[in-house]
Amino acid sequence: AQSVTQPDIHITVSEGASLELRCNYSYGATPYLFWYVQSPGQGLQLLLKYFSGDTLVQGIKGFEAEFKRSQSSFNLRKPSVHWSDAAEYFCAVGNYGGSQGNLIFGKGTKLSVKP
Amino acid sequence: DTEVTQTPKHLVMGMTNKKSLKCEQHMGHRAMYWYKQKAKKPPELMFVYSYEKLSINESVPSRFSPECPNSSLLNLHLHALQPEDSALYLCASSARTGASEGNRNEQFFGPGTRLTVL
Repeated sequence: AQSVTQPDIHITVSEGASLELRCNYSYGATPYLFWYVQSPGQGLQLLLKYFSGDTLVQGIKGFEAEFKRSQSSFNLRKPSVHWSDAAEYFCAVGNYGGSQGNLIFGKGTKLSVKP
Repeated sequence: DTEVTQTPKHLVMGMTNKKSLKCEQHMGHRAMYWYKQKAKKPPELMFVYSYEKLSINESVPSRFSPECPNSSLLNLHLHALQPEDSALYLCASSARTGASEGNRNEQFFGPGTRLTVL
């Protein structure tokens, strides 16, 4: 069965420091991978996505992610974190063709930013 | 227009009330979704509509009744809810016809309705 693991429940970084959020997936075929961000009480905003091709993808707000098939990972990175990046981050894998486009979400990683 | 809108933003209801949540998109998407999200948890899929037909019901209690009156609108009718149904309800949409397989997986989310059941 498909699954997504985000090993870190909560991460705290200092403003200006670099960030890496981990995501591992289990999926038989080529996965469609997504990172979403959610501020408190808000909906989910898509940060970036990977379908195929270049394994380093750029997203909004200065985020990037790298797809590594050998490690079944899709880690999210940002070189310099801003206080406004504090939020919940969800990694997801899409399985269209199975359940008509259902997204399998990880449990999320809460990011706190220290001044 | 790449926006999914949801109304109302907040809703407080008693256990005997009947209310409805509304979701709208004008991106031409032919798949629409309802999710329930409790605090500190990922969204849980409730229903999927594909081409205005219910295609997935994740064993949701009958006190939640979805409706898709046209390709742009999705409603969730609520009746006799319980306090444990209090949550953030999210709507999403995704492409179907003419889209790549990857884009059919990409879901666009609305801001949600914060529901409190007293």
